Amino acid sequence: AQSVTQLGSHVSVSEGALVLLRCNYSSSVPPYLFWYVQYPNQGLQLLLKYTSAATLVKGINGFEAEFKKSETSFHLTKPSAHMSDAAEYFCAVSGGSNYKLTFGKGTLLTVNP
Amino acid sequence: NAGVTQTPKFQVLKTGQSMTLQCAQDMNHEYMSWYRQDPGMGLRLIHYSVGAGITDQGEVPNGYNVSRSTTEDFPLRLLSAAPSQTSVYFCASSHPEGGNTIYFGEGSWLTVV
Repeated sequence: AQSVTQLGSHVSVSEGALVLLRCNYSSSVPPYLFWYVQYPNQGLQLLLKYTSAATLVKGINGFEAEFKKSETSFHLTKPSAHMSDAAEYFCAVSGGSNYKLTFGKGTLLTVNP
Repeated sequence: NAGVTQTPKFQVLKTGQSMTLQCAQDMNHEYMSWYRQDPGMGLRLIHYSVGAGITDQGEVPNGYNVSRSTTEDFPLRLLSAAPSQTSVYFCASSHPEGGNTIYFGEGSWLTVV
């Protein structure tokens, strides 16, 4: 069994400020973890993924995430927010195979000028 | 490279009508799946397939039917549409090994009135 909890359904930051989106997971097997971004009325775009190769994962658009097994966390960060980062972000977990991806409920990121 | 293609992008149905959402991928992926996205719920798995001729139920399968006659195609059928099926539907495909990137289509916005 696996589950994902995203803390905060809505996060608001100022342009240039740090972005921190929280994700905690549970999994009965070693997890694979993903962050997806969704812009309004569009599909899902993969930001980054953790596949056990390295605990600090760098993705597109300046985002990165750190896998912390002891905390069962995979938080997404970006040092300096840009207006174009405004979107909904989803954390997801899968187990040993890819046929079942379990998503969190999403976090809407608002960037204020 | 087209990736995962979904049609139609928008559809309005009347209660009780049936319809099929089409999904095709050109990456020779064994795994294909359908998710629905509802506000505040993230994405939830409806049905999935691990190869041609093999399908199984996900988290929310009621009211939906699928088949997988070819590797490329994985249509989702709504047998008798209900307002509760108003949602955004995403098709996805991937190779089976955990951690491989899961590719999503652009989504199909369905309204049942």
